[in-house]
Amino acid sequence: GDSVTQMEGPVTLSEEAFLTINCTYTATGYPSLFWYVQYPGEGLQLLLKATKADDKGSNKGFEATYRKETTSFHLEKGSVQVSDSAVYFCALYGFGNEKLTFGTGTRLTIIP
Amino acid sequence: EAGVAQSPRYKIIEKRQSVAFWCNPISGHATLYWYQQILGQGPKLLIQFQNNGVVDDSQLPKDRFSAERLKGVDSTLKIQPAKLEDSAVYLCASSIGLAGNEQFFGPGTRLTVL
Repeated sequence: GDSVTQMEGPVTLSEEAFLTINCTYTATGYPSLFWYVQYPGEGLQLLLKATKADDKGSNKGFEATYRKETTSFHLEKGSVQVSDSAVYFCALYGFGNEKLTFGTGTRLTIIP
Repeated sequence: EAGVAQSPRYKIIEKRQSVAFWCNPISGHATLYWYQQILGQGPKLLIQFQNNGVVDDSQLPKDRFSAERLKGVDSTLKIQPAKLEDSAVYLCASSIGLAGNEQFFGPGTRLTVL
């Protein structure tokens, strides 16, 4: 079945550091890929998405590229801020089983 | 535009008691989802409704969990009787349709079973 493997946390970085959170997936066919973010006390929010190979999703300075050859969708940001502290979830929507499958989440803490 | 509303935000019960959660999706969203998020894990889909019909309930423990979506709007999720392993955050989400449309999540209900 579909699965998502995410870089384990927690991750702690200093403000303005470069961020990478790794995500790889297993799925049949051509899934859509997502990054969701969960700020403290809030629900999950869609951060960015990509629907086909080589697509790049971007939002709020975050980027991720759909790499079919490596089945990856790594999240990157060039310069993180304290306000980016949250839990980040990689997810895929499989058109075989018609559901959203999430990774385990990566807790990110940015220190000033 | 109002988001997905859930209540209560927190609930503490003893094992073998019953509990119910309520969700009001974004207006006009035909599809409604209930997820269970156990601490340290990603959300897991329990049940999916399209209007007031069930699309997928394959992961719902039907011996103790039930859900309904009367009139295709609000939904309730019930657990009876609760077990210790039901301690989790229960998330409700909605989307305009199926097939990978963006899902909008509510703030969740944190359930603790003692």
